[in-house]
Amino acid sequence: DTGVSQNPRHKITKRGQNVTFRCDPISEHNRLYWYRQTLGQGPEFLTYFQNEAQLEKSRLLSDRFSAERPKGSFSTLEIQRTEQGDSAMYLCASSFMTTTDTQYFGPGTRLTVL
Amino acid sequence: AQTVTQSQPEMSVQEAETVTLSCTYDTSENNYYLFWYKQPPSRQMILVIRQEAYKQQNATENRFSVNFQKAAKSFSLKISDSQLGDTAMYFCAFGGGTSYGKLTFGQGTILTVHP
Repeated sequence: DTGVSQNPRHKITKRGQNVTFRCDPISEHNRLYWYRQTLGQGPEFLTYFQNEAQLEKSRLLSDRFSAERPKGSFSTLEIQRTEQGDSAMYLCASSFMTTTDTQYFGPGTRLTVL
Repeated sequence: AQTVTQSQPEMSVQEAETVTLSCTYDTSENNYYLFWYKQPPSRQMILVIRQEAYKQQNATENRFSVNFQKAAKSFSLKISDSQLGDTAMYFCAFGGGTSYGKLTFGQGTILTVHP
């Protein structure tokens, strides 16, 4: 068990470009979550998957954002036409669906939009 | 919708002393879970402790314990024998109920442990 991994760890892009982040959950976990965290704030929920199915999306997830988990393993989060306001840490977490559903977080991808 | 409030933006404590971080929440749910996570500077979020709302007994994990007051919707974290490695941002989080599948976090408390 190597924990949740995220790639890349840092991404700098120019406004208007598209970016894609990857998350690899803990291997036996069937739930995967994406959060966004701005400096000095708590994470805000974006979306989550149970296996391949995307079960909930936050209103924060505008139409420029899309997430996939094609085979119920890793997930990707894509941001199209990035804006400066998208600059944040994007966190991924995973859990094994039980009554407690404790989530374990990855190190995050820090996005800077210039 | 649930809300989580951490009213202490910053706290400090001397090494080996005890400190308590406050958290209150608002919910109409009856079955839910509460968590404290720790986020050291430039490092990833780590689970510190978890409390199931249906359990009356307060959770403990080594030097970390909680004071869970369900009626008051309060969930404080006590750190005993503080260590330099406890320096971090601490987040209180709500999960479960009808928001099953996502966590709602507070704003965080920056804890600094001084030698």
